[in-house]
Amino acid sequence: GAGVSQSPSNKVTEKGKDVELRCDPISGHTALYWYRQSLGQGLEFLIYFQGNSAPDKSGLPSDRFSAERTGGSVSTLTIQRTQQEDSAVYLCASYGGPDYEQYFGPGTRLTVT
Amino acid sequence: QQQVKQSPQSLIVQKGGISIINCAYENTAFDYFPWYQQFPGKGPALLIAIRPDVSEKKEGRFTISFNKSAKQFSLHIMDSQPGDSATYFCAASYSNAGGTSYGKLTFGQGTILTVHP
Repeated sequence: GAGVSQSPSNKVTEKGKDVELRCDPISGHTALYWYRQSLGQGLEFLIYFQGNSAPDKSGLPSDRFSAERTGGSVSTLTIQRTQQEDSAVYLCASYGGPDYEQYFGPGTRLTVT
Repeated sequence: QQQVKQSPQSLIVQKGGISIINCAYENTAFDYFPWYQQFPGKGPALLIAIRPDVSEKKEGRFTISFNKSAKQFSLHIMDSQPGDSATYFCAASYSNAGGTSYGKLTFGQGTILTVHP
């Protein structure tokens, strides 16, 4: 079946602008995660949605970052007043399947100029 | 505080050789240990994963060895091929009380593997 999709694949924005990143998870998966991968760095957890439970926002680096998941499916990560240090690849992962594994999308490369 | 430490940062192996990447963790609550492979411009792809009820898991040329007492696990790639050249990440997470789901992944810093032909 279709995997996790993310859009846009690339986003260039000016410092101070707001951006929205979209994730379409695998149909039927119960959980959705957002991670950030900075240049030369590992993957950093941002936020986690599981069913109807309150999201785990413990990884969000500042209150400029927020995310929502509508209808238990599509998720949007919003970064307000972007800063240059926000430049990174933002990865979404969908969780489920018979082995309960996390499957990653291709990511959105965000560049803040 | 980095909870999963991965080494080496980079690794060069000749074709046909064995690639070994090591990870150590601190949180004894971790009970799920996957390895991800990432090619440039792509998202990480699950390669192989292990749970602590076994000490080793093998899938094709890829083997995870797990040492619960030492809080260490490693990835072995046998007969390494140039197509294996990628960045490899170890990760860890822990399950909920019922063991029916796993939470956020904590990743190691990654290992850049280069396999020379």
